[in-house]
Amino acid sequence: AQSVTQLGSHVSVSEGALVLLRCNYSSSVPPYLFWYVQYPNQGLQLLLKYTTGATLVKGINGFEAEFKKSETSFHLTKPSAHMSDAAEYFCAVTLYSSASKIIFGSGTRLSIRP
Amino acid sequence: DSGVTQTPKHLITATGQRVTLRCSPRSGDLSVYWYQQSLDQGLQFLIQYYNGEERAKGNILERFSAQQFPDLHSELNLSSLELGDSALYFCASSAGREGTEAFFGQGTRLTVV
Repeated sequence: AQSVTQLGSHVSVSEGALVLLRCNYSSSVPPYLFWYVQYPNQGLQLLLKYTTGATLVKGINGFEAEFKKSETSFHLTKPSAHMSDAAEYFCAVTLYSSASKIIFGSGTRLSIRP
Repeated sequence: DSGVTQTPKHLITATGQRVTLRCSPRSGDLSVYWYQQSLDQGLQFLIQYYNGEERAKGNILERFSAQQFPDLHSELNLSSLELGDSALYFCASSAGREGTEAFFGQGTRLTVV
């Protein structure tokens, strides 16, 4: 069965600093991977996704993630944090089959220090 | 706006009661997912439907049930409610094809008193 582990339930960075949110997955077959963001009192919004092809995926708001099969990782990065990036971030995985369930990690709360 | 509509937005009810949460998926999406989000359990997958049929089941209690109707809207029924059922319940929909992402509604906040 697939699973997702997000390292660090809370990450705090200074405005302008690099953002790195870690995600490792477990899957016996090639996975599809997603990062979602949740702002307070809102639903989850897709940031980016990896299906096949290029392993470096660019998303909205300047975020990107790199799929590393050898490390079973899909870490999310942004070169320069902005105050508006403060939110909860979820990594998710689904398997290589139509209508497969999407499993989410436990989430990482990102705080931005002025 | 994700295109997924959930009603009601807020619900306050007493222990032992039964409630129904409703979800209208994005136009054209065949798959509907239900998730429960609470502070101590995080985002938990409950159940998934695809074109009217149950496709996957997660940590859904026996007191909970769901269905997807021919017009593809879905309902999540929660019965014999307990204080611990207080949470945010999200519905998401997707096209259901390989690699397609899920789009989330704004959620229904259920408070059991």
